[in-house]
Amino acid sequence: GAVVSQHPSRVICKSGTSVKIECRSLDFQATTMFWYRQFPKQSLMLMATSNEGSKATYEQGVEKDKFLINHASLTLSTLTVTSAHPEDSSFYICSVPGQGARGKNIQYFGAGTRLSVL
Amino acid sequence: QKEVEQNSGPLSVPEGAIASLNCTYSDRGSQSFFWYRQYSGKSPELIMSIYSNGDKEDGRFTAQLNKASQYVSLLIRDSQPSDSATYLCAVSPDDYKLSFGAGTTVTVRA
Repeated sequence: GAVVSQHPSRVICKSGTSVKIECRSLDFQATTMFWYRQFPKQSLMLMATSNEGSKATYEQGVEKDKFLINHASLTLSTLTVTSAHPEDSSFYICSVPGQGARGKNIQYFGAGTRLSVL
Repeated sequence: QKEVEQNSGPLSVPEGAIASLNCTYSDRGSQSFFWYRQYSGKSPELIMSIYSNGDKEDGRFTAQLNKASQYVSLLIRDSQPSDSATYLCAVSPDDYKLSFGAGTTVTVRA
């Protein structure tokens, strides 16, 4: 079954509105989660690291005031795209690190959220 | 310079053939290496992880790692139409943060 639950799977919104995306870790507690963005025909780009109980760490070039991240519990991180514009239309994916083989961490990805801003 | 580079593709192979995918990375401190498969409109799914030099086989998939050359590859043997997807190479210094390549799209012709 799914290890990570991400909702909604698809959002269509008007320009200027805010959109909240949820990422839940179902099988284990996660003090850290990651948010990626993928534009069409491009690869995944890490946006930010979500840290439980503290501020998120944003990658260079990602506006922290536009992409608000809240990691209020050990199983839930939310990404809010504030005042969305058409250029924010993208595929947003969260990931949760979990235990893989030989004690190594691997990333479990959510199903992704397709955001379309009109 | 991009951190992770993959052969550009698209790669078209006949059913039953071997598909060969290549990836190079720039960070010599990288410790963990992954191949993900991504179907159109879906999120990536892990198919292989490799941490030490040499080959690692899992079913029809073989990953090869050469840290001295900063090179990772993936071979898909007996390619099936269901293998048609974009394959993403990902590299990490610490098991946590991943840097992805742009991906190579593979089409297996029936």
